[in-house]
Amino acid sequence: SAVISQKPSRDICQRGTSLTIQCQVDSQVTMMFWYRQQPGQSLTLIATANQGSEATYESGFVIDKFPISRPNLTFSTLTVSNMSPEDSSIYLCSVEEVTDTQYFGPGTRLTVL
Amino acid sequence: AQTVTQSQPEMSVQEAETVTLSCTYDTSENNYYLFWYKQPPSRQMILVIRQEAYKQQNATENRFSVNFQKAAKSFSLKISDSQLGDTAMYFCAFRYTGTASKLTFGTGTRLQVTL
Repeated sequence: SAVISQKPSRDICQRGTSLTIQCQVDSQVTMMFWYRQQPGQSLTLIATANQGSEATYESGFVIDKFPISRPNLTFSTLTVSNMSPEDSSIYLCSVEEVTDTQYFGPGTRLTVL
Repeated sequence: AQTVTQSQPEMSVQEAETVTLSCTYDTSENNYYLFWYKQPPSRQMILVIRQEAYKQQNATENRFSVNFQKAAKSFSLKISDSQLGDTAMYFCAFRYTGTASKLTFGTGTRLQVTL
């Protein structure tokens, strides 16, 4: 399976600021996804990031709050904008391989004060 | 929309024993995948096992096996010879076949393996 890395692994941010999370894959993939995992909860899909097109957002998530870039087939970024304490979560990227199976990055733990 | 239900929020098992985690799902479709993912305290989501709905044979991966009951829409995970490293959250997930299909996760079961 693909090897996926995320940066940063964790961060503590102040209210009102923005953080950009990077996701790097060691092979070219078509489908990349961004998830949020709030404390003690399951994963919630934020958006699907396709190369060469706008990301597709799930209900409850908007581009102004979570802008996503996908400049090529091995890289994507998620920005959490104008953060509030409610944004404190683990953010995970994943990729889908030809077997229709998703593999996940190590996650970014975000704390907003 | 499909739903995935994990009715056991927490479970505990002694080392070397066997434990079964339950998962049920609801769908009207015939072609789909089911997955079990493990999330240890390190927070990385790790694929444990994958089942294709059209296959009657239950998937196995070393100490991990599933009991897939398609008619009952049940997909339980059996962990044999439990090890301390199996301590983690376990998530059941569902995906339709076809492109651009999304994963739907259950709420998870926290498994504690004790000495």
